[in-house]
Amino acid sequence: GAVVSQHPSRVICKSGTSVKIECRSLDFQATTMFWYRQFPKKSLMLMATSNEGSKATYEQGVEKDKFLINHASLTLSTLTVTSAHPEDSSFYICSARLAGFRNIQYFGAGTRLSVL
Amino acid sequence: DAKTTQPPSMDCAEGRAANLPCNHSTISGNEYVYWYRQIHSQGPQYIIHGLKNNETNEMASLIITEDRKSSTLILPHATLRDTAVYYCIVRAYYGGSQGNLIFGKGTKLSVKP
Repeated sequence: GAVVSQHPSRVICKSGTSVKIECRSLDFQATTMFWYRQFPKKSLMLMATSNEGSKATYEQGVEKDKFLINHASLTLSTLTVTSAHPEDSSFYICSARLAGFRNIQYFGAGTRLSVL
Repeated sequence: DAKTTQPPSMDCAEGRAANLPCNHSTISGNEYVYWYRQIHSQGPQYIIHGLKNNETNEMASLIITEDRKSSTLILPHATLRDTAVYYCIVRAYYGGSQGNLIFGKGTKLSVKP
């Protein structure tokens, strides 16, 4: 299947700092990318959807000023957690949709964010 | 809310077939059934998807009932590495937010030696 690379895999930061997570589709162009969040023993929750060159669409209850999404190219999307606090600690997972016949979403390996 | 219902957990003996059921009684005509799995602390992995015909690939088989209200994912020869949470998701093939993957709670499959 197609490969989605997510970096970093793990980050520990101090409260009040900002953290950027990168998501790249390595062998395909993704017109649409997605960001999910997962708490321990819970399912994935969709945070936002982004299309290349346009503003992200956020799900209800997700703060757009807290979670900044940039989808500057067909192969790169970034999520910046601004002024992170301990409650932002979570597992963040990006996904990219392979447009076309199969229209399948592929996922990155996830980023474990711990805010101290 | 997820449009599917799955048992919370299942066990399977190594080497045997694992049959994971999913109910999606409110599925619409333009919605496909997708299966993903998530091994602990990793991102979800695509397994298979289908509309109304049975599908098979190198990982699994998908059996969809004629009325499309339920389906079964079959792992023909389960191994310990198949231990994961399996998600059954219905989504529109195209089109805005209806095409987004919304995850339910899934089935935790434990393959035992």
